[in-house]
Amino acid sequence: QVQLQESGPGLVKPSETLSLTCTVSGSSISSGYYWGWIRQPPGKGLEWIGNIYHIENTDYNPSLKSRVTISMDTSNNQLSLKLSSVTAADTAVYYCASLYCSTTTCYDRIFGYWGQGALVTVSS
Amino acid sequence: EIVLTQSPATLSLSPGERATLSCRASQNLNSYLAWYQQKPGQAPRLLIYDASNRATGIPARFSGSGSGTDFTLSISSLEPEDFAVYYCQQRSNWPTFGQGTRLEIK
Repeated sequence: QVQLQESGPGLVKPSETLSLTCTVSGSSISSGYYWGWIRQPPGKGLEWIGNIYHIENTDYNPSLKSRVTISMDTSNNQLSLKLSSVTAADTAVYYCASLYCSTTTCYDRIFGYWGQGALVTVSS
Repeated sequence: EIVLTQSPATLSLSPGERATLSCRASQNLNSYLAWYQQKPGQAPRLLIYDASNRATGIPARFSGSGSGTDFTLSISSLEPEDFAVYYCQQRSNWPTFGQGTRLEIK
């Protein structure tokens, strides 16, 4: 079973870059699966940030695309998220997630496994 | 952007009752809609994918229906652990989520 664990600074200053790592166990991130990042501001709903698949292919939320980079570190079986020029509006719990697979098929853009989430606060 | 509108915002029911949650899309999704359950302090859990398919390990009291722009999540007989927030999510285009329905104990 896939397990995901987010890590990174819990406090980031405005205008700086938010950086998070997701450590994956139970599956190789270079397996061809989709891996994604989703965030949730405190007390609010869910927002998809982006996906990465087949190591180099990425899709991003158009509203965040100019500030987001998602990448893979296959040697450490980790995903990373970088979000630049952050403001207080970027304060959220950030989740990494993987696609859902039934017994026969895997489905992209459906999130079957989630990390526990990492709260990142943007404040000076 | 495909907008998903969930209703009602809050649903107050008692254990044993039937719950019906709605999700309406701004564009045709075919069947590319999923439902998630989220409890306080936890990550969302996938319940239903592609409108009507239960994810692995999800109890049979959860069912999904609909296609096109109108979708429903039904919980046949509420258990105490079902009181949570429920989100719909589409994958017809880049993923978007509904704003959530809070299912609370009456």
